[in-house]
Amino acid sequence: DAGITQSPRHKVTETGTPVTLRCHQTENHRYMYWYRQDPGHGLRLIHYSYGVKDTDKGEVSDGYSVSRSKTEDFLLTLESATSSQTSVYFCAISETFYGYTFGSGTRLTVV
Amino acid sequence: GIQVEQSPPDLILQEGANSTLRCNFSDSVNNLQWFHQNPWGQLINLFYIPSGTKQNGRLSATTVATERYSLLYISSSQTTDSGVYFCAVDKVQGGSEKLVFGKGTKLTVNP
Repeated sequence: DAGITQSPRHKVTETGTPVTLRCHQTENHRYMYWYRQDPGHGLRLIHYSYGVKDTDKGEVSDGYSVSRSKTEDFLLTLESATSSQTSVYFCAISETFYGYTFGSGTRLTVV
Repeated sequence: GIQVEQSPPDLILQEGANSTLRCNFSDSVNNLQWFHQNPWGQLINLFYIPSGTKQNGRLSATTVATERYSLLYISSSQTTDSGVYFCAVDKVQGGSEKLVFGKGTKLTVNP
């Protein structure tokens, strides 16, 4: 099993504050992803990475930035959190012919 | 982009019953996966099945790529099968997939 952990598991933050979510993997996978899950919308891709310092936007990238300075860590940053960014955030890695393995998720509430 | 439709949206079963969940997609794909999200929110990869048939215990899946659909079969359902089942697809294969998710089928298995 791919070792993938997300931190924090839960966070409450105030509108306008910066927030960084961390995804850590232990098995040197090249591809990493951030998704958000919202009722009625399912899971939607925010950003993804195909290597160190190589990232690109997904379907719902506005208001989010990412960084990947090391293979094992993929960070998602909300520069100025808004209530519309209240969601559950999932990180995933991808393995050829196996597909995605997801982290346990981060529940973010912006008040 | 690719559209993914899952049916039924909700399904209620008695323990021991069998069920079939369907996933239709709007374009040819090279990657199709089925996931189970348990009541605690964890997303589990059930099958990587861009074509053909696979079985894992009481679960099996069939994808008919030429007709753009996939089916997930659950036999002798148990209460632990409850949760939401997602189908996700992409045209890309080989580790760089950016999966597009359907909205899921919510399964409730009653004792």
